[in-house]
Amino acid sequence: QVQIQQWGAGLLKPSETLSLTCAVYGVASSDSYWSWIRQSPGRGLEWIGKVTHYGSTAYNPSLESRVIISVDGSANHFSLRLRSVTAADAGVYFCARSTADVNFYMDVWGKGTTVTVSS
Amino acid sequence: QSVLAQPPSVSGTPGQRITISCSGSRSNIGSGQNVHWYQQLPGTAPKLLLSHNNIRPSGVPDRFSGSKSGTSATLAIAGLRPEDEADYYCQSHDTTLGASVFGGGTKLTVL
Repeated sequence: QVQIQQWGAGLLKPSETLSLTCAVYGVASSDSYWSWIRQSPGRGLEWIGKVTHYGSTAYNPSLESRVIISVDGSANHFSLRLRSVTAADAGVYFCARSTADVNFYMDVWGKGTTVTVSS
Repeated sequence: QSVLAQPPSVSGTPGQRITISCSGSRSNIGSGQNVHWYQQLPGTAPKLLLSHNNIRPSGVPDRFSGSKSGTSATLAIAGLRPEDEADYYCQSHDTTLGASVFGGGTKLTVL
């Protein structure tokens, strides 16, 4: 059974860099694509980007200039970095397993990490 | 405003059949992109309900079904149960934006 555990700093100041990590259990990360999605009352669900085991990435153009998603295949981990955060970046951040195609879906999700941005 | 439009809320009584719409455009659903549906219970992560318009993952009851026509998709829940009370989201790919997009979500209340 595939499980995802996620962690990272939940309280940030404006202009800081958000950094979150997910660990995958029960499946080799090489078998799947891995996405980050966030949710906030104002923006709803928003796909951030995804990464393959080999490090190939695809990003939401609206966030691409500030986002880096990376993978550590040997440790079955993948990470999100979002720089220069503002209050608009607050919300719950989820990591999830994605299918490979362009019109992908997410079938296994982490529990989410709440991120607050406040000075 | 979400790229995919959903009604903010729907309600029904136990045993009833309800539908939730997901309205898109020619750059997403209307261009042949598949629609996926998720159920989110309070305080939890979304759970995949249907993929590729109407494919149920293992464990999802056949009370849940989906369809797509033109620029819209529909989620139907038959034999409504109290435990179906949740938020429901549609998702598809937008070729103009070059990104996966979600609907704004529909809160289902079981009266």
